Amino acid sequence: KAGVTQTPRYLIKTRGQQVTLSCSPISGHRSVSWYQQTPGQGLQFLFEYFSETQRNKGNFPGRFSGRQFSNSRSEMNVSTLELGDSALYLCASSTTGRTDTQYFGPGTRLTVL
Amino acid sequence: AQSVTQPDIHITVSEGASLELRCNYSYGATPYLFWYVQSPGQGLQLLLKYFSGDTLVQGIKGFEAEFKRSQSSFNLRKPSVHWSDAAEYFCAVQNSGGSNYKLTFGKGTLLTVNP
Repeated sequence: KAGVTQTPRYLIKTRGQQVTLSCSPISGHRSVSWYQQTPGQGLQFLFEYFSETQRNKGNFPGRFSGRQFSNSRSEMNVSTLELGDSALYLCASSTTGRTDTQYFGPGTRLTVL
Repeated sequence: AQSVTQPDIHITVSEGASLELRCNYSYGATPYLFWYVQSPGQGLQLLLKYFSGDTLVQGIKGFEAEFKRSQSSFNLRKPSVHWSDAAEYFCAVQNSGGSNYKLTFGKGTLLTVNP
């Protein structure tokens, strides 16, 4: 089975721009979660989607948004980029979310200049 | 709110030596507990998990962890470290009840292995 894939792997943007990151979960997985990883704050939960519905949300500003499609693929969008948004964005998928292993993708490295 | 503390930011061990990485959590009930490993430039790989039952959990790559409720700890151990174990290790906790399935991670412990 193919693992979680994330595209693109690397992105460079400038302040004020917006960006869209994509995540394709493992086949059959319906839950997709997003995490932000930075050296200062560590790994922080952004949001989780299940069957096209946002089920949980972390403490991030409204500039961070996401969605999930009927094939379980998910996208996250960050608008009006700030320097502090530079991070590794990780996507994880699982079958239902509860007591299921979350499998992580390799991440998208976003650099904001 | 749940939280995880990994007291050791960086640990150096010699190849072949034993390893113990510490993890303490804060949660009102018995949480679900995880250890993940991250190699440079990579995502997270699950080493092992605890949901219930036997408090000594076996994982991949020869790792094990023991859940101690009285100490709110879930320490990771390996009897003999290999050079390929050099990576960053993260302990995580998840709600065992309710509808929030997010993982809360510790800040990580960076493991260096000397030849």
